[in-house]
Amino acid sequence: AQSVTQLGSHVSVSEGALVLLRCNYSSSVPPYLFWYVQYPNQGLQLLLKYTSAATLVKGINGFEAEFKKSETSFHLTKPSAHMSDAAEYFCAVSNFGNEKLTFGTGTRLTIIP
Amino acid sequence: SAVISQKPSRDICQRGTSLTIQCQVDSQVTMMFWYRQQPGQSLTLIATANQGSEATYESGFVIDKFPISRPNLTFSTLTVSNMSPEDSSIYLCSVVDGQGSAFGPGTRLTVT
Repeated sequence: AQSVTQLGSHVSVSEGALVLLRCNYSSSVPPYLFWYVQYPNQGLQLLLKYTSAATLVKGINGFEAEFKKSETSFHLTKPSAHMSDAAEYFCAVSNFGNEKLTFGTGTRLTIIP
Repeated sequence: SAVISQKPSRDICQRGTSLTIQCQVDSQVTMMFWYRQQPGQSLTLIATANQGSEATYESGFVIDKFPISRPNLTFSTLTVSNMSPEDSSIYLCSVVDGQGSAFGPGTRLTVT
C-alpha cells in the first residue's frame, strides 16, 4: 500500500518569502510522486512530477521539489512567494506512473501581502 | 497533455434522484479514473474504468451506487444513483498521459 502525508493543512507566508510545503510518502515500490495545485473553484493542475530521472524536479510557476529517499520526502519549495500562489496544494503518489493516484490531505497556502 | 471535458459542470439535484456525468478526452486512453472531492477534503478514487471491461471499484464504493460505462477509448460516464446530501461533492475524471495524470475540470454536485 502507498500513502502520502502532508504536514500542515494550512501554511501562511509573506509575499516574497520562501514557500515550503511538506510531503512524506510511504511506498513498497519505487514511487512516482506528484504535486498538484488547485485554485479556487478550478480543477487540478500538475505542478511537477518525480519519475526517478532526477532527484531535483523543476515545475511550473517557479516551483521545485526534491526527492529524498532517505527521508521518504518530496517537499515542494518556491524561493519567493507571489500573491497568485494562494491555492490548495496536493501531493500524490502512484506506482509506475500509470496507475491510480493516492492523494494527501492537501495544504492550503495563504500569501500575506 | 490530454484535454478533458466534463458535463455538466455543476448541478443541483434532489435526494433520491440520479445524475450521469460525462467525461470526454481528446485522445485515446487505456485507463480512465473517477475521483470524488468532498467539500474541503482531498481527492478519493472511486473507480478505474477500462474500455471493454467492468470498472474496478475502490473500497467503500459499489457499482450499484456509482455505475460506470466505458464504451470507447475516449469517453466514460459516472452515474451517482439514489443521491443523498452526503453525495454533494466535486466529481473529477482523470487519465494518464505522457505528462502524468490529467484531470477534467470537475462536476460540482449539490444534493438537496
